[in-house]
Amino acid sequence: DTEVTQTPKHLVMGMTNKKSLKCEQHMGHRAMYWYKQKAKKPPELMFVYSYEKLSINESVPSRFSPECPNSSLLNLHLHALQPEDSALYLCASSQGVSDTGELFFGEGSRLTVL
Amino acid sequence: AQSVTQLDSQVPVFEEAPVELRCNYSSSVSVYLFWYVQYPNQGLQLLLKYLSGSTLVKGINGFEAEFNKSQTSFHLRKPSVHISDTAEYFCAVSESGGGNKLTFGTGTQLKVEL
Repeated sequence: DTEVTQTPKHLVMGMTNKKSLKCEQHMGHRAMYWYKQKAKKPPELMFVYSYEKLSINESVPSRFSPECPNSSLLNLHLHALQPEDSALYLCASSQGVSDTGELFFGEGSRLTVL
Repeated sequence: AQSVTQLDSQVPVFEEAPVELRCNYSSSVSVYLFWYVQYPNQGLQLLLKYLSGSTLVKGINGFEAEFNKSQTSFHLRKPSVHISDTAEYFCAVSESGGGNKLTFGTGTQLKVEL
């Protein structure tokens, strides 16, 4: 099983809503990532978890709150978002953070903030 | 810090013609290099990677790339493209010891026409 599964595939929310994006992998990987991708742009790293601990936060606004309940799951909690936060949010995993940089990506959750 | 340049934002090509997508990188240390493909409304899929050893690497779907250290390039090639190759292609680099922190190029839209 070499899949990274993300839910929901599409999410529409208002600026006052609270919602969550979920990501799951069963490859035994110990590092998980959140990327944000705006239209026609490359993915931008948001967060990295290594062994269920946050290891990198790329100065992401606090309205995005990551959580890693266990080594297979990664959540991104969303609250008080802005319309400019509308984007494709990609989850990825890798065996660790000290190996060769090969990441496995999910298909993404497309978020629209009204 | 590393950086990646993809000079061509769009590359139109006829079906069954050869194609080359260019990628140049900048880094002061050893690097790992990757090409990812993104089909419309999907996540990223790894095409191929260069970690060490032979400078010519072969990937999925008939793609190959050559690592040229002196020219700091990692161009992607396919001898005969198919309509199904129409997608966005991202070159990415991570630095040895850099903790799997991928830096992506801006992407090249490959459009295969009949």
